[in-house]
Amino acid sequence: AQSVSQHNHHVILSEAASLELGCNYSYGGTVNLFWYVQYPGQHLQLLLKYFSGDPLVKGIKGFEAEFIKSKFSFNLRKPSVQWSDTAEYFCAVKDTGGFKTIFGAGTRLFVKA
Amino acid sequence: DAGVTQSPTHLIKTRGQQVTLRCSPKSGHDTVSWYQQALGQGPQFIFQYYEEEERQRGNFPDRFSGHQFPNYSSELNVNALLLGDSALYLCASSTDGTGFYYGYTFGSGTRLTVV
Repeated sequence: AQSVSQHNHHVILSEAASLELGCNYSYGGTVNLFWYVQYPGQHLQLLLKYFSGDPLVKGIKGFEAEFIKSKFSFNLRKPSVQWSDTAEYFCAVKDTGGFKTIFGAGTRLFVKA
Repeated sequence: DAGVTQSPTHLIKTRGQQVTLRCSPKSGHDTVSWYQQALGQGPQFIFQYYEEEERQRGNFPDRFSGHQFPNYSSELNVNALLLGDSALYLCASSTDGTGFYYGYTFGSGTRLTVV
């Protein structure tokens, strides 16, 4: 069965620090990969997605993620975080031959001003 | 504005009761997926509806059922409520059915508390 692992449940950073959130999935077939973000008091929203092609994808607000197929990983990165990046981040995977998207448990990021 | 509308926002029910949650998808979306998010966990897939039929289901008992209407809106029904059903229920709409899948648009959820 598919599963998604997010390595850190809570991350605390100071502003301007670099961010990397780990995500690994278990599935042997072709997948679509996503990062969703939930800012305090808001609904879940799509941050970025990978379908095919360049394994380095760029999303909104300066976020990017790299798909490494051999490692079954899709880590999220940002060179310099801001206080406004405080949120919960969810990695998700969808089998291209199926319909459901599986989510990880989430990582709560707190950025100190 | 989420684009996906869920009602009610909050709900308190007693064990053994039944509940119906409602969702209106984003304009232009034809597919509705329902998720359960327990405290401190990621969303868990309940089922997905397209063309008024359930086309994939997660590991949830038959107490969880749904419906999709011709206008693509959807309902989630839970019978014989258990304390463990207390969670945030999320509706996500997408364009899987007839178009390229771009990812979900989520609603703000319904917070269900079972007492």
